[in-house]
Amino acid sequence: QVQLVESGGGVVQPGRSLRLSCAASGITLSNYAMNWVRQAPGKGLEWVAVISYDGSNKYYADSVKGRFTISRDNSKNTLYLHMNSLRHEDTAVYYCARLNQGLLLPALDYWGQGTLVTVSS
Amino acid sequence: DIQMTQSPSSLSVSVGDRVTITCRASQSISTYLNWYQQKPGKAPKLLIYAASSLQSGVPSRFSGSGFGTDFTLTITGLQPEDFATYYCQRSSGSPHTYSSPHTFGQGTNVEIK
Repeated sequence: QVQLVESGGGVVQPGRSLRLSCAASGITLSNYAMNWVRQAPGKGLEWVAVISYDGSNKYYADSVKGRFTISRDNSKNTLYLHMNSLRHEDTAVYYCARLNQGLLLPALDYWGQGTLVTVSS
Repeated sequence: DIQMTQSPSSLSVSVGDRVTITCRASQSISTYLNWYQQKPGKAPKLLIYAASSLQSGVPSRFSGSGFGTDFTLTITGLQPEDFATYYCQRSSGSPHTYSSPHTFGQGTNVEIK
């Protein structure tokens, strides 16, 4: 079955960098656009970024634009989120999610279990 | 950017009740609207896409409606497993998938009365 497994979270100091990974199994990632969505403790969902199936198109939320980079390695069936200049407000559980553009209209139909990033000195 | 506003932010209901959650977009999004359910400590789950299409495997007591700026998620006959937080999301189809944010509403927490 389809599985998305995030990793790379942890505690990091403000201003430092971190790279999250999302490994896929049961699907060929290269067939799908992928997203990152985050959720601060006790808060709602915040969409972060999207990348096209081949990595040629990307878009970011204003809150992370210029600091975060979404990328993918289809040969490894893996999605990444490179996070630079981290701030306290970036503390959240980060989810990767598949964008299914084969539905009537696009939707996030598979999600990972999330990885927690804590930005703290 | 288009803003998504849900109401109410929370509601207390009983098993068997009919529940209605609304989502309003700050400008027309046609039917580019999805609904997700999230339980504590779990990843969100897709319930409804394209405003009214039921995702495979989701019980038929869930339904969605709306067009343009006003949308509704309805749960007919709430079950114990339906106590959760519900989010709407503006989806972006081609050619806007990579040129506009896929914004979520702030969520509606459905609690036991």
